[in-house]
Amino acid sequence: DTEVTQTPKHLVMGMTNKKSLKCEQHMGHRAMYWYKQKAKKPPELMFVYSYEKLSINESVPSRFSPECPNSSLLNLHLHALQPEDSALYLCASSQEPGQGRSYEQYFGPGTRLTVT
Amino acid sequence: RKEVEQDPGPFNVPEGATVAFNCTYSNSASQSFFWYRQDCRKEPKLLMSVYSSGNEDGRFTAQLNRASQYISLLIRDSKLSDSATYLCVVNMNQGNTPLVFGKGTRLSVIA
Repeated sequence: DTEVTQTPKHLVMGMTNKKSLKCEQHMGHRAMYWYKQKAKKPPELMFVYSYEKLSINESVPSRFSPECPNSSLLNLHLHALQPEDSALYLCASSQEPGQGRSYEQYFGPGTRLTVT
Repeated sequence: RKEVEQDPGPFNVPEGATVAFNCTYSNSASQSFFWYRQDCRKEPKLLMSVYSSGNEDGRFTAQLNRASQYISLLIRDSKLSDSATYLCVVNMNQGNTPLVFGKGTRLSVIA
């Protein structure tokens, strides 16, 4: 089973709202990722969790706050977003990279976020 | 030089045609290479990993050329359902970023 699930599929929020995106995988992967993707652009890495610890933050603004409650779950908490934050937010998981090698990442279907 | 470069296309080909995409990468120490396909408004889906010896999966063949630092994807007997954006993905094996995505090559297969 190579399934990564994400909820919600669509989200519309105002600039003063607080919302959360959720991601779940049951492949036993110990690395999980958040990406942001704008139209006609490749996915842009935001955060990496490795063994439930934040290992990479790609200089993401603090209005995005990731959380990894356990090895299967990854959340992205959103607060005071801007209209330019509207995008497709993708979660992915993989085996833990090591010894210079990276493994295949499996993506969830994404949450399409619109900030009004 | 950009880290991962692809011709954005679009490649417009008739059904049944053979089409090939190349992707160049900047870091000679990279060890992991992948092709993903992404349909409009959907998530990227792994198409195939690219191994040193090259690999084939049905109509799809991937090759790695370490000397020239490029990978290729060949699609034979194109189907309408092959229409998508094909993303070249490479690990840079430096710094912290696990994988770097190319900007993608758009393929349209026409009846």
